Amino acid sequence: DVKVTQSSRYLVKRTGEKVFLECVQDMDHENMFWYRQDPGLGLRLIYFSYDVKMKEKGDIPEGYSVSREKKERFSLILESASTNQTSMYLCASTKTGVKDNEQFFGPGTRLTVL
Amino acid sequence: RKEVEQDPGPFNVPEGATVAFNCTYSNSASQSFFWYRQDCRKEPKLLMSVYSSGNEDGRFTAQLNRASQYISLLIRDSKLSDSATYLCVVRNYGGSQGNLIFGKGTKLSVKP
Repeated sequence: DVKVTQSSRYLVKRTGEKVFLECVQDMDHENMFWYRQDPGLGLRLIYFSYDVKMKEKGDIPEGYSVSREKKERFSLILESASTNQTSMYLCASTKTGVKDNEQFFGPGTRLTVL
Repeated sequence: RKEVEQDPGPFNVPEGATVAFNCTYSNSASQSFFWYRQDCRKEPKLLMSVYSSGNEDGRFTAQLNRASQYISLLIRDSKLSDSATYLCVVRNYGGSQGNLIFGKGTKLSVKP
């Protein structure tokens, strides 16, 4: 079974703190994604990576950065957390070259910024 | 116009009912189509892919109308366990492979 894990299920941080969200997948997937999900707005893509050390901006990259030093790990960084970054953060991964390849999601991290 | 649009619901149906969800997409170049299911406070999971010829998986039938840019999901004989949010998803090739565009979801609640 594909497994995508995220470092925390719940996280509470203060405004201005630097926040690291970690995601690890164990199926040798090339592509990894970070989304945030908010009521009424659905899933929005923040950043994605299709290879180690590669990254591309998604739809809402402002206020975020990412790091992909190893194939299995994709980190999302909030350089200076703000209250409008309170959200559910979902990591996903998928394999390149597979027709109709499924995106496998982690369980999510619910981040609250006070 | 949003890329993928769905009726947010909620659809409240009794057990055993047949319910249909619709979805429209704006990019005529979209090439792959899916329905994902998301249970409350859980992550989305793939329910089924959607093919031009239509496809069925047990009580679930998905159809695609490329001319109208329209996708549907039909659930027959609804079960309590079908209660979830159903996300319509498309992929437009040209970007990085695997990059999906999600609708906001349609909430289904099946009542006893």
